[in-house]
Amino acid sequence: DAGVTQSPTHLIKTRGQQVTLRCSPKSGHDTVSWYQQALGQGPQFIFQYYEEEERQRGNFPDRFSGHQFPNYSSELNVNALLLGDSALYLCASSLAGSGIYEQYFGPGTRLTVT
Amino acid sequence: LAKTTQPISMDSYEGQEVNITCSHNNIATNDYITWYQQFPSQGPRFIIQGYKTKVTNEVASLFIPADRKSSTLSLPRVSLSDTAVYYCLVDQGGDDKIIFGKGTRLHILP
Repeated sequence: DAGVTQSPTHLIKTRGQQVTLRCSPKSGHDTVSWYQQALGQGPQFIFQYYEEEERQRGNFPDRFSGHQFPNYSSELNVNALLLGDSALYLCASSLAGSGIYEQYFGPGTRLTVT
Repeated sequence: LAKTTQPISMDSYEGQEVNITCSHNNIATNDYITWYQQFPSQGPRFIIQGYKTKVTNEVASLFIPADRKSSTLSLPRVSLSDTAVYYCLVDQGGDDKIIFGKGTRLHILP
């Protein structure tokens, strides 16, 4: 039973470019949440997707957008990249209504913006 | 969401019991207390969750006093592989977003 998988593992982009990160949830999960984790900080909630719609959103600008597909996988898109967007991007999956202790995190995508 | 306060870092030695205390003075009646562990370049991993008194699993114990304004994560007989960042969170559960603080960086020495 595969856990949460994310791709790519590492990515280097230039300021102003756009990036797409991908996440496949744990088998049986239907909800995907995205987090940004800067070096030395705790993960910061970006948004959550359920039934292909954004259900909750943290304090992130509209440059951050996402999508959830019918198979529950998800994408995170970031436009007009800034140097400050360099971080580890984490995807977590869960089953709706199961509670925070049932969130499973993937290994993350390390994004470096130069 | 209740704010949590934890020590920034702690050192201990292999074989010792480690206790990490978290303060959450504004915890609400419906809030649960949850601890996550995170290794470098990996996603956080759920360790334990509790509401009151004591909870124990195969990895750790969680002690919560009657006023619930603090909690203590206890790791028995730590090893070098327990070196990680530990996050304390309080939340009502359900499908709410998880709010992480800065966590406690635990360093186990040989």
